[in-house]
Amino acid sequence: QVQLVQSGTEVKKPGASVKVSCKASGYTFTSYDINWVRQATGQGLEWMGWMNPNSGYTGYAQKFQGRVTMTRDTSISTAYMELSSLRSDDTAIYYCARVMGPIDFWGQGTLVTVSS
Amino acid sequence: DIQMTQSPSSLSASVGDRVTITCRASQDIRNDLGWYQQKPGKAPKGLIYAASSLQSGVPSRFSGSGSGTEFTLTISSLQPEDFATYYCLQHNNYPPLTFGGGTKVEI
Repeated sequence: QVQLVQSGTEVKKPGASVKVSCKASGYTFTSYDINWVRQATGQGLEWMGWMNPNSGYTGYAQKFQGRVTMTRDTSISTAYMELSSLRSDDTAIYYCARVMGPIDFWGQGTLVTVSS
Repeated sequence: DIQMTQSPSSLSASVGDRVTITCRASQDIRNDLGWYQQKPGKAPKGLIYAASSLQSGVPSRFSGSGSGTEFTLTISSLQPEDFATYYCLQHNNYPPLTFGGGTKVEI
C-alpha cells in the first residue's frame, strides 16, 4: 500500500534551517510528483511547492521563493524539503503529498517549531 | 493564480442534518476539484475527486457536485464522526495547487 512517512518533530531557532524528509513506499517513486503543504496551528492548508522526482524539476510558491528547496534521493525513494531563514511564523505542520491530479496520499505531517 | 473561495468558514449543525459547503473558483477549472476532510491532529483525508466522484471507502452520505466555477460538498445526514474541517482543492493548470479556506463543521 502507498505510504509517505515523514521525519520527526523539529525545534529550531529563528534564522536556522530545517530539512524534512518524506520516504515513499508502495509505488514507483519517480512516477508521481511530490508536493509540500503546510498548516499553522488553527489555520488552513497552504501550498508550498512541487517536485518531479524523476527529473528533479521543482516549482515554488512565490511566498517561499528563495527560502525553500525541494530535493530527492531516488535510490531511497525519499523527498526532502528544506526551509531556511526560519521565523516564528514558520511554526507549522509540514506535509508531503503525492499528486495524481489532486492529492491522493499524504504524509503524516512533521511539526516544526521555531522559537528562541 | 486561481483563487478558491470557500463558504461558510464555519457552521453549527446537529446529527442527522443535511450540510452543504460551497467553493467558488476565480476562473473556470472544469471539474478539477477535490474535497478533503481533516480531523484535529490528523492529515487531510480525500473524500471526493473530479468534483463528484467518491473516493473508495468514503460513505455514500458524502457527495460532490458542480463544474466550472461553482462546487458543492453535501453531507446528506451528518454523523458524529463527520464533525471536522473540510477543504476544497483545485488542481486545474497545476502547478500550483490552491486550497479553499476551510469549513469547520461543529455541533
